[in-house]
Amino acid sequence: EAQVTQNPRYLITVTGKKLTVTCSQNMNHEYMSWYRQDPGLGLRQIYYSMNVEVTDKGDVPEGYKVSRKEKRNFPLILESPSPNQTSLYFCASKNPANYGYTFGSGTRLTVV
Amino acid sequence: AQKITQTQPGMFVQEKEAVTLDCTYDTSDPSYGLFWYKQPSSGEMIFLIYQGSYDQQNATEGRYSLNFQKARKSANLVISASQLGDSAMYFCAMREVQSFNNNDMRFGAGTRLTVKP
Repeated sequence: EAQVTQNPRYLITVTGKKLTVTCSQNMNHEYMSWYRQDPGLGLRQIYYSMNVEVTDKGDVPEGYKVSRKEKRNFPLILESPSPNQTSLYFCASKNPANYGYTFGSGTRLTVV
Repeated sequence: AQKITQTQPGMFVQEKEAVTLDCTYDTSDPSYGLFWYKQPSSGEMIFLIYQGSYDQQNATEGRYSLNFQKARKSANLVISASQLGDSAMYFCAMREVQSFNNNDMRFGAGTRLTVKP
């Protein structure tokens, strides 16, 4: 089954404790992206990657890092999480056939 | 600048009736795609329907249809014969083919639809 797998689904952490949210896709898509979803703001892009070792900032990159060492994986790293990063996070990969996105199941992060 | 506008934060519809969720967009790119996603309370994002800017006919997928009015830059989602399971958040999104930096998928703020029994 074609899918994007995110882990964990839920995470509660404390301010300043580094964390990584993993994302993996099995569709051999080149383009992957991370979004955060906040009430009233929709989804905003954090980082995206056009291929292995090619990453770039989206609209809200501050406080986040990413890496793309292999095509299938695109982890999101919060080096020093803060409460304003409490949000619902989605990883997505882009289908080159119609450019639509396949989303992971989401990670609900709470930083206290 | 906001490129996707969903003006209805919340909508109610009676079961079995049709409902229209509004979406307007702004782009100068002649080639673009419009998408609708459904987000149920469980949180996942489910692709519903796609419309290309050069498509002559409005897209349809089962009970979903996209009312595409290019001159008005609107891409409203129509759900026919609403079901209780349609209660969810709905997001409109646009992809510009010639996006400057490949940050190319923009989402609206969403509309929360509640279907009443």
